[in-house]
Amino acid sequence: QKEVEQNSGPLSVPEGAIASLNCTYSDRGSQSFFWYRQYSGKSPELIMSIYSNGDKEDGRFTAQLNKASQYVSLLIRDSQPSDSATYLCAVNTGGFKTIFGAGTRLFVKA
Amino acid sequence: DTGVSQDPRHKITKRGQNVTFRCDPISEHNRLYWYRQTLGQGPEFLTYFQNEAQLEKSRLLSDRFSAERPKGSFSTLEIQRTEQGDSAMYLCASSLGPLAAISSNTGELFFGEGSRLTVL
Repeated sequence: QKEVEQNSGPLSVPEGAIASLNCTYSDRGSQSFFWYRQYSGKSPELIMSIYSNGDKEDGRFTAQLNKASQYVSLLIRDSQPSDSATYLCAVNTGGFKTIFGAGTRLFVKA
Repeated sequence: DTGVSQDPRHKITKRGQNVTFRCDPISEHNRLYWYRQTLGQGPEFLTYFQNEAQLEKSRLLSDRFSAERPKGSFSTLEIQRTEQGDSAMYLCASSLGPLAAISSNTGELFFGEGSRLTVL
């Protein structure tokens, strides 16, 4: 079992729709959770961090965490073609190591 | 540009050669990480420095890999006797954290543009 699992996609949504990206993790003791965006040929860029159960909103992005279910999600409202990228879920499992999932490719159709 | 910088951006080498990558983190950041990423995969943790101390190293990292961070500033990652399986993007990241405690923001990483290695 991979430590951080994501559906590889691609997830295709029309412009203006809500994109929903999901992630599960295996280490129940994980404390910190992150979403990174990675454009093709570029390096990852942090877009959201969440540390406690519930929702956290930042502009068009909402991160959701459910530690009991070991589940993290990212919602992107009013999706734009510029949101087309790979979204990486990352989990800090204790110590200084952050584990990344393989990423979900998102394609927003104009 | 005050972000994380990496050099070289691209390196093509023959199998068996040694290569070295350099990373200059954001100046005030005390934490520095090396990751490796292959196509279709997420970044894979290699090693971590807090200031000049290498505090964690992946068990997946073979003895051919060595990293240093002298004086707690820039870092180098050397791969000896390269193999074709070493071909990947090598990513450096930095962050700012407390000197001693593991803070909740561990994982808020700022990545450089990466050094792409191709081993022929």
